[in-house]
Amino acid sequence: DAGVTQSPTHLIKTRGQQVTLRCSPKSGHDTVSWYQQALGQEPQFIFQYYEEEERQRGNFPDRFSGHQFPNYSSELNVNALLLGDSALYLCASSRGLNTEAFFGQGTRLTVV
Amino acid sequence: GESVGLHLPTLSVQEGDNSIINCAYSNSASDYFIWYKQESGKGPQFIIDIRSNMDKRQGQRVTVLLNKTVKHLSLQIAATQPGDSAVYFCAESNQAGTALIFGKGTTLSVSS
Repeated sequence: DAGVTQSPTHLIKTRGQQVTLRCSPKSGHDTVSWYQQALGQEPQFIFQYYEEEERQRGNFPDRFSGHQFPNYSSELNVNALLLGDSALYLCASSRGLNTEAFFGQGTRLTVV
Repeated sequence: GESVGLHLPTLSVQEGDNSIINCAYSNSASDYFIWYKQESGKGPQFIIDIRSNMDKRQGQRVTVLLNKTVKHLSLQIAATQPGDSAVYFCAESNQAGTALIFGKGTTLSVSS
């Protein structure tokens, strides 16, 4: 049973570019959340998707958008990249509410 | 064993000692609490969770204590091993499966 998988593992982009990160949830999970973790900091909640809808959103600008597909996988898109967007982007999945969230290994994004 | 009363960013213990990592949470309405372990270059790994209707929960070598009166959460690790060396984060949410708010991490270093 595969856990949460994310791709790519590492990515380097230039300021102003756009990036798409991908996440496949753990088998049987239908809810996907995205977090940004700057180096040496705690993860910060970006948004959560359930039934292909954004259910909750953290304090991130509209440059951050997402999508969930019918198979529950999800994408995180970031437009107009800034140097400050460099971070580890984590995807977590859970089975609806009242269950624990499991994290993937993350995508390390570097913006130069 | 080594223990701390307030959150400290680092904790160093000897192999075989008991470790206690503390966390103060912010929202008195939080109903669900979880501890994660994060090793270098990896995503957070679920350790143990607890709901607000409990004050103690035990797992394998780990115990979580919840004090709602002072909004304090602690993780106790028995017989700490070198493999326990990592950054530990507490997180809270209004309900399991919803957005997690992470506390500042504590880096646990175990020497043999």
